Amino acid sequence: GQNIDQPTEMTATEGAIVQINCTYQTSGFNGLFWYQQHAGEAPTFLSYNVLDGLEEKGRFSSFLSRSKGYSYLLLKELQMKDSASYLCAAMDSNYQLIWGAGTKLIIKP
Amino acid sequence: DTEVTQTPKHLVMGMTNKKSLKCEQHMGHRAMYWYKQKAKKPPELMFVYSYEKLSINESVPSRFSPECPNSSLLNLHLHALQPEDSALYLCASSQGVGTGAEKLFFGSGTQLSVL
Repeated sequence: GQNIDQPTEMTATEGAIVQINCTYQTSGFNGLFWYQQHAGEAPTFLSYNVLDGLEEKGRFSSFLSRSKGYSYLLLKELQMKDSASYLCAAMDSNYQLIWGAGTKLIIKP
Repeated sequence: DTEVTQTPKHLVMGMTNKKSLKCEQHMGHRAMYWYKQKAKKPPELMFVYSYEKLSINESVPSRFSPECPNSSLLNLHLHALQPEDSALYLCASSQGVGTGAEKLFFGSGTQLSVL
């Protein structure tokens, strides 16, 4: 079957760094997406990885290891506005997105 | 314009009502999607339109009826809904389907309550 695993909830301190992990099992693979979703709002695109390695975009970076079926989202210099759910989604061979349940990130002052 | 616009933002309806959700994008995207999202759950795919043709229907009950009048518009017609259909309904678009250009742009959603 197809499956995405990510932690349910994480807590971090303002100004710190946090890493949100995601492991996936899909029928074929066409890339890994990370989305941010604030409560009651729509998901917004953060990153897309299809090749192994680290993609850096400002305070956010995303890493992919295809051989391990593993990705992480790294958030640096955390701000209170980063409190949100972070959704990992893998695209299978049919270009269907398989979504994780999301990681709720709580930022404390 | 990188926006997907959804209306209404909130909708309360009875089980005998008929209502429609509307979605519009002007990014030239050729794929449009309806998702349903319950609280603290990931989005669940309902329908995909590719080049104005329905390409995916994820076994959605017939009380939900999608319509794609043109490449910029997507509607979801609702009839005889059940209380368990209460959820956030998200519209999304992407450049294409099956092209590797599936980065989704989401609208702000319609929060639907069925009484």
